[in-house]
Amino acid sequence: DAEITQSPRHKITETGRQVTLACHQTWNHNNMFWYRQDLGHGLRLIHYSYGVQDTNKGEVSDGYSVSRSNTEDLPLTLESAASSQTSVYFCASSGRGLEQETQYFGPGTRLLVL
Amino acid sequence: QKEVEQDPGPLSVPEGAIVSLNCTYSNSAFQYFMWYRQYSRKGPELLMYTYSSGNKEDGRFTAQVDKSSKYISLFIRDSQPSDSATYLCAMKANTGNQFYFGTGTSLTVIP
Repeated sequence: DAEITQSPRHKITETGRQVTLACHQTWNHNNMFWYRQDLGHGLRLIHYSYGVQDTNKGEVSDGYSVSRSNTEDLPLTLESAASSQTSVYFCASSGRGLEQETQYFGPGTRLLVL
Repeated sequence: QKEVEQDPGPLSVPEGAIVSLNCTYSNSAFQYFMWYRQYSRKGPELLMYTYSSGNKEDGRFTAQVDKSSKYISLFIRDSQPSDSATYLCAMKANTGNQFYFGTGTSLTVIP
C-alpha cells in the first residue's frame, strides 16, 4: 500500500544545531507539504512543493528550508535550531485529479530543541 | 480573521450520543471540504471529503456543507469511545493546491 513515512519519529537536539527531518511518500504525488502542529495553533504550513525542483514558502517558513530532488522525498532542514521550533512536524502529500483535493499525512516527528 | 474557525472544545459526551462538530470559513472560493481525525500522537487521517454543498454520509458519520452560510458540520451518530480524538476540518479552493485547516476540536466519548 502507498504511504508516507517520516524519520526520525522523535528527535532531541540543542539550539544552534542543524537538523534535517525526512519525508518519503510512495503515492507518486506531485504535491508535498510540511506543517508544524502546536497547541492552540493547529496545523501551520512551513513549506510546500508542487513538483521536482519546485519549493515555496508557507506562513511560518523562517528558519526552515526544503529541497525537492525527486518525486518521493521532501526533507525539511532547520538551519540553526531554536527552542521556538520545538513542535510536532507533519509531512503531507496530495496528487492529481481527485486525489489533488485531499491530503495524506505521515505519522509525524516530535522535535525537542533544548 | 483566520480563514477557518473551529471551536477547540474540549467536548465530552456519553457513549451513544450524537456529536456535532462545526467549522466556519470566510473564503467563498473554498469548494473542497474535508474532515480529518487525529488520534493522540498520530498523524491526521482523512475521514470525510465533500465537494461543494450538500451532505455526505459514511456509516455513523455525516458531513454537511452550507456554502451560503460558510459553515460545515460533521455529525457522529451512536458515538463510541473509539471516536475519542481531535477532529480537524480542512478546506481548499478550486485553484491552487493549498489547504486551510481549523485548529481542531478535541472529543472524548465516555463509556
